[in-house]
Amino acid sequence: EDKVVQSPLSLVVHEGDTVTLNCSYEVTNFRSLLWYKQEKKAPTFLFMLTSSGIEKKSGRLSSILDKKELFSILNITATQTGDSAVYLCAVEKDNAGNMLTFGGGTRLMVKP
Amino acid sequence: DTGVSQNPRHKITKRGQNVTFRCDPISEHNRLYWYRQTLGQGPEFLTYFQNEAQLEKSRLLSDRFSAERPKGSFSTLEIQRTEQGDSAMYLCASSLAVHVVGQNYEQYFGPGTRLTVT
Repeated sequence: EDKVVQSPLSLVVHEGDTVTLNCSYEVTNFRSLLWYKQEKKAPTFLFMLTSSGIEKKSGRLSSILDKKELFSILNITATQTGDSAVYLCAVEKDNAGNMLTFGGGTRLMVKP
Repeated sequence: DTGVSQNPRHKITKRGQNVTFRCDPISEHNRLYWYRQTLGQGPEFLTYFQNEAQLEKSRLLSDRFSAERPKGSFSTLEIQRTEQGDSAMYLCASSLAVHVVGQNYEQYFGPGTRLTVT
């Protein structure tokens, strides 16, 4: 059965800290890995990763995929209180529907 | 607003009642997905449509659940004879179907409908 596991489950840091969120997966027919940020509403898209070793970057956020070891990390530098959210990792399968299998999320709280 | 919209945003119902939710996807997206999310968990896939055709259903989708997308645009998700275990956030997402280089095909999510069954 397909599995996506995120760690840690939750994290509390202070503004300015750097955090690393982890996502490991076991899926058949892997196509891509996606990161979403979820506050008290819809998950919003952050990154899609398809190739190993190529870092994707957007402002203070960056992510990289390792297809050999089957994991991805999401880094957030110089955290701000607005980064407080649940970060979801999802894997897209290479099948007709491209449905997403999500991990349980990492809840990040950034304190002032 | 060109994003995915869902109605209602909140629904409280008594056990045994039927409920129906609506999702309006991004207009040019031909794929539409329904997910369910319970507290502290990631979303779980329920079903998806390509245009008006329902192409896959998860085993999570019991016989009490039915989804339609009659004209290939908006979709409805109906739950009959609701149970307390149906209480969850129901998320809709849409995307383009064809993976064309340079085109965004990631799934975009709506705000969800939070269902509480008492």
